[in-house]
Amino acid sequence: DAKTTQPPSMDCAEGRAANLPCNHSTISGNEYVYWYRQIHSQGPQYIIHGLKNNETNEMASLIITEDRKSSTLILPHATLRDTAVYYCIVRGSSNTGKLIFGQGTTLQVKP
Amino acid sequence: DTAVSQTPKYLVTQMGNDKSIKCEQNLGHDTMYWYKQDSKKFLKIMFSYNNKELIINETVPNRFSPKSPDKAHLNLHINSLELGDSAVYFCASSYEWGRGYEQYFGPGTRLTVT
Repeated sequence: DAKTTQPPSMDCAEGRAANLPCNHSTISGNEYVYWYRQIHSQGPQYIIHGLKNNETNEMASLIITEDRKSSTLILPHATLRDTAVYYCIVRGSSNTGKLIFGQGTTLQVKP
Repeated sequence: DTAVSQTPKYLVTQMGNDKSIKCEQNLGHDTMYWYKQDSKKFLKIMFSYNNKELIINETVPNRFSPKSPDKAHLNLHINSLELGDSAVYFCASSYEWGRGYEQYFGPGTRLTVT
């Protein structure tokens, strides 16, 4: 599975869009980009995943560049409850299912 | 209705003891996992079971023994506990292991070894 690089921390004003970047320059053609988050003291929570196309669900949007070497998770209207560590993970669809978590980005949403 | 539940939530014990952590999922998933999150907050997979069969064993000391009595349960037994075993242990589940389905995590069990 390809390695990912994320900024260690980011701030965002409440009500604004939070844009969290992720670099995965060694991603291969059959590998998906997954995003999870971990709110303090809770279990990680799945947010969204994608292969090539941009994806949107009720929680967030995922924008993947055309060359697939980077992506951005967008929380359209961040709230204080979105303060968490956000993990960008790349994994193939045929692997054993294990998620390899990096250090992630600590997003602090401020009032 | 809790999707993935773990018991106990907190566990404080002394070195050398044997303890178990239980995990149950009511999502009808085939695959279950154990992850460990250490004091530096790194999350690392330990084991995975698919339909009660072990498919991932990430070079974990053999003092750790997972047991899956059925698809809905995956327990973790730890023998001869050491100080370094202190961590938060998360159970997770997913529909299948090889198709990239999202994983659902439990609330965690904070183990403290004194």
